This record gives sequence, C-alpha cells and structure tokens, in this order.
Amino acid sequence: DVKVTQSSRYLVKRTGEKVFLECVQDMDHENMFWYRQDPGLGLRLIYFSYDVKMKEKGDIPEGYSVSREKKERFSLILESASTNQTSMYLCASSLAGLYNEQFFGPGTRLTVL
Amino acid sequence: QQQVKQSPQSLIVQKGGIPIINCAYENTAFDYFPWYQQFPGKGPALLIAIRPDVSEKKEGRFTISFNKSAKQFSLHIMDSQPGDSATYFCAALGAAGNKLTFGGGTRVLVKP
Repeated sequence: DVKVTQSSRYLVKRTGEKVFLECVQDMDHENMFWYRQDPGLGLRLIYFSYDVKMKEKGDIPEGYSVSREKKERFSLILESASTNQTSMYLCASSLAGLYNEQFFGPGTRLTVL
Repeated sequence: QQQVKQSPQSLIVQKGGIPIINCAYENTAFDYFPWYQQFPGKGPALLIAIRPDVSEKKEGRFTISFNKSAKQFSLHIMDSQPGDSATYFCAALGAAGNKLTFGGGTRVLVKP
C-alpha cells in the first residue's frame, strides 16, 4: 500500500515567518508534487520534482520554493508567509512516466495570521 | 483561468439517485482524463480514468462518459449511496508532461 505522509495536519503561522511543509513517500516513486487546494479552484500545482534535486515550476510557484535532497522526501518552503497563502496543501507522488496514478497525502491545513 | 471547468459545485441527491458531474476542457492536447474522489480529512484518491479513444467506461457503480468532439466528459454515480458522499474532481493530462490539471471540484451529498 502506497503511503504518503505529511508532517503536520494543521499549522498556524504568522505573516513573514518561514514555513516548511514536509512530505515523505514510502513507495520509491520518482515523481513528487505539491498542490494547494482552495474551494472552487480545485487543486493547483505549485511545484513538482521528477528526480532528486530536480524541480519544475507548476502553475502557481510564486512565493514558494521546494527542496528534494532524498528520493522519498519533498519539502515545500514558504520563504515569507502571507495571508493569501492560507490554504490546504497536498503532497502527491507517482511512478515515472506518463499516466501513472498520483497518490496523495492527507494534506496540511495552513493558516497564516 | 481554469483549463478544466467542472459543474456543479455541489449536488444533493437521495439514496439511489444518479448524481451527474460535468467537465469541459479547451486544450486538445489533453489525452487522459482521471476522476479523483476525496473524503473529508483525506487526500484525493483515483476513482476511474478514461482515454479519448473510448466514449464510455464503467467501474462498478461509476461511469465516465466522454464526448471528444464537444470536449466534455462526465461522471455518473449509479444507485448512489450515503458512503459516496465526497468531493469529486475531474482532471486532464496531456502527453507533454505529467502535470494534471484539475477542475474546481463538486461536493456530492447522498441523503439516506
């Protein structure tokens, strides 16, 4: 059974703080993704990585960065959190190649005050 | 601008009814259309997917209908049950990459 875990279910931060969201998968997947989920907007891709130390921008990368030092771990970094980054953040992973199922973690609900 | 438009945003049906969720896309490069199901407190999970070379696909009580010329596809939940109450997302993927584009989601409530 594929398991994608995220470091926190709920997180409350102050404006301007640096925020780290961690994601770990245990199925040796090559691809990892970070999405944010907002009502009415569905899931929007922030960044994805197809290999260690490799990353590509998604549709909404502004204000975010990522790090992938190990195959199983993908971190999302908010350099200076802002209130408009209050959202649900979802991590996913998949095997390399096209059309492979993405497996999602349970999400981290981030509130920036 | 959403490349995949999903409607309605929410839907309430009685047990046994058939909720229908519709999605439309513009990008003709899309060639894989999955649906994800998300229960409260959980991440989305793949429910069923279709390629544009078929017009319909069934898996259990879930059916996808696909209209390539209209660039539309829909999910039907036959004989819906209260356990089907969830948020459903359509999505699309093109051969150019592994980036899924999601619709806005539909919250389905099946009343007992």
